[in-house]
Amino acid sequence: DAMVIQNPRYQVTQFGKPVTLSCSQTLNHNVMYWYQQKSSQAPKLLFHYYDKDFNNEADTPDNFQSRRPNTSFCFLDIRSPGLGDAAMYLCATSRGDPEQFFGPGTRLTVL
Amino acid sequence: AQRVTQPEKLLSVFKGAPVELKCNYSYSGSPELFWYVQYSRQRLQLLLRHISRESIKGFTADLNKGETSFHLKKPFAQEEDSAMYYCALSANSGGSNYKLTFGKGTLLTVNP
Repeated sequence: DAMVIQNPRYQVTQFGKPVTLSCSQTLNHNVMYWYQQKSSQAPKLLFHYYDKDFNNEADTPDNFQSRRPNTSFCFLDIRSPGLGDAAMYLCATSRGDPEQFFGPGTRLTVL
Repeated sequence: AQRVTQPEKLLSVFKGAPVELKCNYSYSGSPELFWYVQYSRQRLQLLLRHISRESIKGFTADLNKGETSFHLKKPFAQEEDSAMYYCALSANSGGSNYKLTFGKGTLLTVNP
């Protein structure tokens, strides 16, 4: 089945220790998104790639970076995680139309 | 800027009862509205979108531009409908660049 895969499903890191979350897709979609979702809150868009073009949201902290080495993979790098960065991180893809396809998410814990 | 409001954090109904999950939005352009659903331990997935005007799993939603609402309705709720429901608005930020703004979600519980 074509799908969006996120690894790992659960990630524990230490305060200030860089961490990378991974997303891959077999849908061959040209757009990939990263969302942060904290408990009882709406998913919040951090940034997205349209093909190789990176689009950062204005309020995304500089601590969050992303890489998209090819169509299939996209990474979320958190350079110095703080306690406030503990959240569910969702990856999504689209064909360049409004409908998005989501991965299962990675739950990040910061100790 | 766009905003999506789901006024009910929790909604509990009995099996067979009608259910309505409320969604209001604010957006200066022409909106495209969606309902996404997340069942327990599953990924967020599209339930329906307003332009398709489909009924999915017995759910319907009508876009009311006058009231800026997109409420989700089902005449007879089933236990398997228990899930978190998110209303989302898609704004075109240029070309084929679409971004979703989500509401905070409503947790629907259908009791036997």
